[in-house]
Amino acid sequence: DAGVTQSPTHLIKTRGQHVTLRCSPISGHKSVSWYQQVLGQGPQFIFQYYEKEERGRGNFPDRFSARQFPNYSSELNVNALLLGDSALYLCASSFGKASGNEQFFGPGTRLTVL
Amino acid sequence: GENVEQHPSTLSVQEGDSAVIKCTYSDSASNYFPWYKQELGKRPQLIIDIRSNVGEKKDQRIAVTLNKTAKHFSLHITETQPEDSAVYFCAASSRGFQKLVFGTGTRLLVSP
Repeated sequence: DAGVTQSPTHLIKTRGQHVTLRCSPISGHKSVSWYQQVLGQGPQFIFQYYEKEERGRGNFPDRFSARQFPNYSSELNVNALLLGDSALYLCASSFGKASGNEQFFGPGTRLTVL
Repeated sequence: GENVEQHPSTLSVQEGDSAVIKCTYSDSASNYFPWYKQELGKRPQLIIDIRSNVGEKKDQRIAVTLNKTAKHFSLHITETQPEDSAVYFCAASSRGFQKLVFGTGTRLLVSP
C-alpha cells in the first residue's frame, strides 16, 4: 500500500508569487490535514479537510487556502508569497475526522521563497 | 491559546541508557497525545500515542505516561540504540477536529 504522497518534493519561488502543493492520502482515508514546519520547529497546523469540507483552520493568514477533491486528494494554495513562508509543508491523512485518529504524514514539500 | 512545551531541547545519552522527554500542555480539553519521531530530512512517524482515559502505555522499549491533573506527559525510551537518534516531537489534540499542537522537539543523540 502506498503511503501519503505529496508533490512536488521541492519548489523554489520568489516573493509575491503563488504556489500550489498537492497531497494524495492513503487509500480509504477521508481526512487530510496540512501543517507548516519551519526549520528547527515543530509542525504548525494549517487546515483540516474531511469529506471535502473544512473542519478546522489554524492561525494562518487568508493567503493560505486549501480544498479537497471527491477522491479525497487535497491542494494547499499560498498567494503573495513571503520570505517567511519558506518551510516544509506536510500533509497528513487519517481515516476518521475527530481527534484521536492516527495521522500519517507524507514526505513533505520543501518550499523556498527567494 | 493552546501551547505544548517540551524539554529538553537536546539530549545526549550512551547506548543502553534510558532517555526521558517531558511535555506540558495548556488546554485542559486535550484528550489525545501522540509522539512522533522525525529523522533528518524525513517525515514525522508516530511511535506511540496515549488517550486521556489511560495513564500509561508501553510498546517494547517505549512507554508514555500521562498526568492529566498536572497536564504533563512523558516519553520513556529504555535500552537506547544509535538508531533511536532523531528529533522527537510530542503533540496534543482536543476533542473535535484533528488539530495537533506540537512541542518544539527534542534532538536525541545516542552514542555507541
